[in-house]
Amino acid sequence: QVQLQESGPGLVKPSETLSLSCTVSGGSISPYYWSWIRQPPGKGLEWVGYIYSSGTTNYNPSLKSRVTISVDTSKNHFSLRLSSVTAADTALYFCARGGPIFIDSWGQGTLVTVSS
Amino acid sequence: QSALTQPPSASGSPGQSVTISCTGTSSDVGGYNYVSWYQQHPGKAPKTLIYEVSKRPSGVPDRFSGSKSGNTASLTVSGLQAEDEADYYCSSYAGNDNYVFGTGTTLTVL
Repeated sequence: QVQLQESGPGLVKPSETLSLSCTVSGGSISPYYWSWIRQPPGKGLEWVGYIYSSGTTNYNPSLKSRVTISVDTSKNHFSLRLSSVTAADTALYFCARGGPIFIDSWGQGTLVTVSS
Repeated sequence: QSALTQPPSASGSPGQSVTISCTGTSSDVGGYNYVSWYQQHPGKAPKTLIYEVSKRPSGVPDRFSGSKSGNTASLTVSGLQAEDEADYYCSSYAGNDNYVFGTGTTLTVL
């Protein structure tokens, strides 16, 4: 059973870059899609973007100019960078295995607060 | 792309059935058979219940079923149990390698 664990700073200052990593255990990064999904406090889910193990990416159009997702197959993890953050980026960030068709495993999520 | 529309709340008594709708457009729900449903208990990660409109991942009880008609997908929970009380979200492929989530429905077991 694959397990995913998010890690990264829980507090980011406005205008700075949010960086999170997702470590995959119990399975290989290849050949799967890997997603980042976020949930603002008390609100619904929002797709951030996804990456295939080969490195092909796709991002939510509303975030595309600020998002970068990368994968490191040698370390079995993938990462999220979101630049120029504002309070609106405060959310619980989930990493997951799968893409637009089917997500079969989720991380437990990590809360990132944007505040000075 | 706009979020898919779900009713904010739904409810039912133990043992009853409840159906949650998810309305989109011909560009997402109506255009592809790639609708998924997720269950999320408070403070927990979502769990995938249904994918490709009506398929259940291994381990998901057959009390959960999915269907689609036109631009509206539906999740039916049969034989309601107390543990089914949770938030439910749909999602759909929306073309151009994008996907969109629904607004979410809070299910209350009376």
